[in-house]
Amino acid sequence: QKEVEQNSGPLSVPEGAIASLNCTYSDRGSQSFFWYRQYSGKSPELIMFIYSNGDKEDGRFTAQLNKASQYVSLLIRDSQPSDSATYLCAVIPGGTSYGKLTFGQGTILTVHP
Amino acid sequence: ETGVTQSPTHLIKTRGQQVTLRCSSQSGHNTVSWYQQALGQGPQFIFQYYREEENGRGNFPPRFSGLQFPNYSSELNVNALELDDSALYLCASSLLGTSDEQYFGPGTRLTVT
Repeated sequence: QKEVEQNSGPLSVPEGAIASLNCTYSDRGSQSFFWYRQYSGKSPELIMFIYSNGDKEDGRFTAQLNKASQYVSLLIRDSQPSDSATYLCAVIPGGTSYGKLTFGQGTILTVHP
Repeated sequence: ETGVTQSPTHLIKTRGQQVTLRCSSQSGHNTVSWYQQALGQGPQFIFQYYREEENGRGNFPPRFSGLQFPNYSSELNVNALELDDSALYLCASSLLGTSDEQYFGPGTRLTVT
């Protein structure tokens, strides 16, 4: 079982729709969860982080964390063509004193006009 | 922009050679982590440097080594390059002990022929 798993997609949504990206993780002791956006040929950009169960909203983005189900998701409301990118879920496993980000393989999102 | 810089942008080396990549952390950050991202994959943790010491290491052989300097900038050295070392090398800057968020630089694209 991979430590962090994402639907590889690609995920295609129409402009203005809600895009839903999902991620599961295997280490129950994980405490910190991140979503990065990566445009083709560029480096990952941190767009959301969440540490507690529940929802966290920032503009059009909402991160949802359910530690009991070991599940984290990212919702993008009113999707725009500029949101087309690869979205990477990352987790810091429990039991480490340093910030080793463990990434999923990424989900490719395409928003079509 | 994150304020994290990396050099060079691109590099082409021959198998068996050695390479040094450089990273300057964001102002106020004390920790640098290095990641390797192969095409179509999520980044893989190489190691982290804090207070000029290696603070954690992923599953990479000893020919991957690093340094951190008093100004918190860092170097990644790779000896005896192999074809599989061709990848995007990313450094991420953070403030260990205060938050887990890591901010990536633009990356160095290494091609080994």
